[in-house]
Amino acid sequence: AQKITQTQPGMFVQEKEAVTLDCTYDTSDQSYGLFWYKQPSSGEMIFLIYQGSYDEQNATEGRYSLNFQKARKSANLVISASQLGDSAMYFCAMREGRGNNNDMRFGAGTRLTVKP
Amino acid sequence: KAGVTQTPRYLIKTRGQQVTLSCSPISGHRSVSWYQQTPGQGLQFLFEYFSETQRNKGNFPGRFSGRQFSNSRSEMNVSTLELGDSALYLCASSWDNFYEQYFGPGTRLTVT
Repeated sequence: AQKITQTQPGMFVQEKEAVTLDCTYDTSDQSYGLFWYKQPSSGEMIFLIYQGSYDEQNATEGRYSLNFQKARKSANLVISASQLGDSAMYFCAMREGRGNNNDMRFGAGTRLTVKP
Repeated sequence: KAGVTQTPRYLIKTRGQQVTLSCSPISGHRSVSWYQQTPGQGLQFLFEYFSETQRNKGNFPGRFSGRQFSNSRSEMNVSTLELGDSALYLCASSWDNFYEQYFGPGTRLTVT
């Protein structure tokens, strides 16, 4: 069953504007972690931000923030003040619980293009 | 601190051959995971090792195997290569499997 859904295959944003990348997830666990990764054309996956299911505050890391709505099971990534270097694929991912059978599941990704 | 390293970066093999890919995790990380990424299937989990033990395994045939050494370095092996095995193979390490993973640059395998 699909655990992570990213409904936007591609997004465009003007340089210096903010953009929101959508992510919804499906789990019956109470304890889980949500992650966002960036993959430039070079191929390397870059960790951006983490949100724990018990965290009450939305996570922020520099220009990245995670809009966590637990009841709606959504974990949208907000990038403020977009830069040309933000053009890349963005993946939302989730890990449930701890220990065995909790491999990280990834969404299909969203390709973000920042226009000058 | 050095990041995750993977060798080789590029590899071309022919059908029926076997291949071994190597991954050195970030110092202190005990968990190493492997993923296959293709345009059609996206990122798919292969397996995870923790302290030399395979802790999680994805839905791949037995031709795909791996191991982890006492220094946390990991290798994955694919035997009897098929054209469909052409992909970017990514290795990731973390402190434990509930934390964020840090990825290596990947090995791009082409099977002809």
